[in-house]
Amino acid sequence: DAGVIQSPRHEVTEMGQEVTLRCKPISGHNSLFWYRQTMMRGLELLIYFNNNVPIDDSGMPEDRFSAKMPNASFSTLKIQPSEPRDSAVYFCASSPRLAEPDTQYFGPGTRLTVL
Amino acid sequence: GQQLNQSPQSMFIQEGEDVSMNCTSSSIFNTWLWYKQDPGEGPVLLIALYKAGELTSNGRLTAQFGITRKDSFLNISASIPSDVGIYFCAGQVGNTGKLIFGQGTTLQVKP
Repeated sequence: DAGVIQSPRHEVTEMGQEVTLRCKPISGHNSLFWYRQTMMRGLELLIYFNNNVPIDDSGMPEDRFSAKMPNASFSTLKIQPSEPRDSAVYFCASSPRLAEPDTQYFGPGTRLTVL
Repeated sequence: GQQLNQSPQSMFIQEGEDVSMNCTSSSIFNTWLWYKQDPGEGPVLLIALYKAGELTSNGRLTAQFGITRKDSFLNISASIPSDVGIYFCAGQVGNTGKLIFGQGTTLQVKP
């Protein structure tokens, strides 16, 4: 069975450029989560969706970050414009139902480097 | 905001030794979880704890949900080289899907 799929796996871009990270959740999972991992701040929840609707975006650092889930099988996290401090590993996770964290599965992550 | 304090930050042990790590919080959590992350991968769930005082095992791993609901520990017995990785604790916020993660414990095992 396919797990959570993220693309690209690695992204190197220059400051000021737009970056789009993509996620395909596990089929049948109704909740989707975006996390960011850095050495300084650890693993942080940015935003999560339930049935394609954003539920809590309080972790999104600033207006340069936006996330969408146009359908049950696809989500994007966009950074525009990107800055060097956005360099991190971004994880997408999905679960069948929202309040069951023990069923939350993580993707392999996208390593973003902003020069 | 809510924070989890995880310790130790790193451990370097000999194969066969037992390992213990813990997490504390100033807030109460309803669910505690322990994850392992291998290099280049996302975290993978090891153990989930749902009740204060609960002690749960998964093979050589044992975890406990503290009585106060503000702490948890993870023990690994008879460590082996494949135990190498970063271990994270996480607490569930209320009955939401939101998880707060500890800073991680990096474990290295010398054969």
